[in-house]
Amino acid sequence: AQTIHQWPVAEIKAVGSPLSLGCTIKGKSSPNLYWYWQATGGTLQQLFYSITVGQVESVVQLNLSASRPKDDQFILSTEKLLLSHSGFYLCAWSLRVGAETLYFGSGTRLTVL
Amino acid sequence: GEQVEQRPPHLSVREGDSAVITCTYTDPNSYYFFWYKQEPGASLQLLMKVFSSTEINEGQGFTVLLNKKDKRLSLNLTAAHPGDSAAYFCAVPVTGNTRKLIFGLGTTLQVQP
Repeated sequence: AQTIHQWPVAEIKAVGSPLSLGCTIKGKSSPNLYWYWQATGGTLQQLFYSITVGQVESVVQLNLSASRPKDDQFILSTEKLLLSHSGFYLCAWSLRVGAETLYFGSGTRLTVL
Repeated sequence: GEQVEQRPPHLSVREGDSAVITCTYTDPNSYYFFWYKQEPGASLQLLMKVFSSTEINEGQGFTVLLNKKDKRLSLNLTAAHPGDSAAYFCAVPVTGNTRKLIFGLGTTLQVQP
C-alpha cells in the first residue's frame, strides 16, 4: 500500500526566515508529485508538479521553489518567507497515466509571523 | 481555459435532510471529475472520481450526478448526518494537461443534530 508522509506537521516561522517542507511517497515507484497551497478557509491552489526526478513544473510560484531530489521525495522551499505564505501545504501523488486520481498527504500548517 | 464555479459556499442542514452541492465547468471536453471531502483541520479525502460516460454515480450515502449538456456536476448527500460536516471540493483537470487540477472554491457543510 502507498503511504505519503509530510513533514513537519506544523511550523511557526518569522517573516524573512527560510522554509523547507518535505514529502515522501512509499510503495509507488515513479509517481507524479504535486504541491498545493490552501489559505485558511480557502480553496486549493496548485503550486508545482513533477513527473520525474530532477524535473519540476511551476504552476503558480508565490516566491516558492520546489525540487525532486529523489524519486520518492518532493521538497518545497523558500529563502525568505512572507506573511502571505501562511496556510496549509499539501503534497499529493498520482499515477503516471491518464485520468490520474490525486491522493493527498496529511499536510503542513504554516504560520508566518 | 477551464473554469469551475461551486455553489453554495456555505450550507447548513438538519440531520436526515438532503444536501446538494453543485459545480459548473466550462470545458465541454472535460471527461473526468473529482469530489473531495476535507474535515476541519485535516487533509483532503477522495469521495468519488466520476467519468463523463456515467451520469449517475452512487456512493455510500451520496450520489454524484453529471449533466453534460449543462456542464454541471452535483454532489447529493441523501440523508446527512453530523459526520458529513466538512468542506467539499469539486475538481476538474485542465483539458490537455491532466497534471493540472482546478478546484472549486469549496462548500462548507454543517449538519445540525
